[in-house]
This record gives sequence, C-alpha cells and structure tokens, in this order.
Amino acid sequence: EDQVTQSPEALRLQEGESSSLNCSYTVSGLRGLFWYRQDPGKGPEFLFTLYSAGEEKEKERLKATLTKKESFLHITAPKPEDSATYLCAVGEGGGSEKLVFGKGTKLTVNP
Amino acid sequence: NAGVTQTPKFQVLKTGQSMTLQCAQDMNHNSMYWYRQDPGMGLRLIYYSASEGTTDKGEVPNGYNVSRLNKREFSLRLESAAPSQTSVYFCASSGGSGNTIYFGEGSWLTVV
Repeated sequence: EDQVTQSPEALRLQEGESSSLNCSYTVSGLRGLFWYRQDPGKGPEFLFTLYSAGEEKEKERLKATLTKKESFLHITAPKPEDSATYLCAVGEGGGSEKLVFGKGTKLTVNP
Repeated sequence: NAGVTQTPKFQVLKTGQSMTLQCAQDMNHNSMYWYRQDPGMGLRLIYYSASEGTTDKGEVPNGYNVSRLNKREFSLRLESAAPSQTSVYFCASSGGSGNTIYFGEGSWLTVV
C-alpha cells in the first residue's frame, strides 16, 4: 500500500532560523512528488513538483529536493508569512490519477 | 483567472438530508477530483473523473455520488447525509496523470 509520512507534525521556528521538513514515501513507480502550502481556511496551494531522484526546485526561501525514498523542503531564513501547513503528495505510476497525501507539517515562524 | 470554484462555502445539514456540492474549473483541464480533509487524516480522494463522461472511485467513496456534467463541471452529491460526512471538501483539477493538481478554496460541511 502506498504511504506518505511527513515529519515533524509541527515545527516552530524563530524568524531567520533555517530548517527542513521531511516527506518519506513508498510507492510503486513514482510519477511525481508534489509539495503544497495550505493556509488556515484555504485550499492547498501548489509549490513544487519533483519527478526524479536528484531533482531540486527553488522558490524564494523554499527549496525542494528528492531522493528515491524521501523529499525535503528546506526553508532558508523563514519569515512569519511562511507559517502554514505544508503538504506532501505522491502519485503512483502506470497512468494512475491518484495522489496519496501525507498529513502535513504545521510550520509556525515567530517574529 | 478564477481557477477552481466550488459552492457553497459553508453548509449545515441535518442527518438524512441531501445536498450537492458544485465545482467548476476554467483551466480546460481533463481531470477533476473531489477530496475530503479531516483533522489527523490528511486529504483523501473521494471520486475523480479522468475525462468528460468518466468517473472512478477513490479511497472513500461510500455515501457519495458524482456527476461530470461537462468538461468544466464536476459535482458531488450526498444522498442521505450522516454526521461522519462532516468535513471540509475540496474540488481539484489537473491536466491529467502526472500533472499538477490545483485545488479550490473548500466547502465546509457540518451534518448534525
């Protein structure tokens, strides 16, 4: 059974304190690993898609990396506005439409 | 550009009542989805539609029906609402397998 595990469940940082969120997965034939940001009362907002081990993508203070078994979302010098829940999802191969989501990491950045 | 629009935003139902959640996308996507999100459970797929005229069950389809009305619209119906269906429902769309899925803003449903 495909599984996605995110850690930690919650992370509290001081402004400027860099850290990483982890997403480990087991899936038969990865067709993509997706990172989303979700603010309270809102729908998930797309951040990155990674397709193969070794791939990296960056956007402002965020950088996503992918290995064969896990992905990291690195947050460099975070600001309070980076506070949100970050969701990881994986899609299995074979043309499947389904994404399996992790339960998310709730990030709080204090000023 | 509206993206994915879903209505209503909030709804309170009594047990046994029926209702339909509406969803429309303006990105010309082939695939559309309905997810539910519950505390501690993450996002779970209810139904999806890979193209106009097709629908398939996801992880938690029991108690729901869907209709892909046309390429733009995908509705979710609760025929006889139960308290266990209290949740936040998200509609989403994508260009197909392997493509990014884009979400609507959510519909908060409470069944009492």
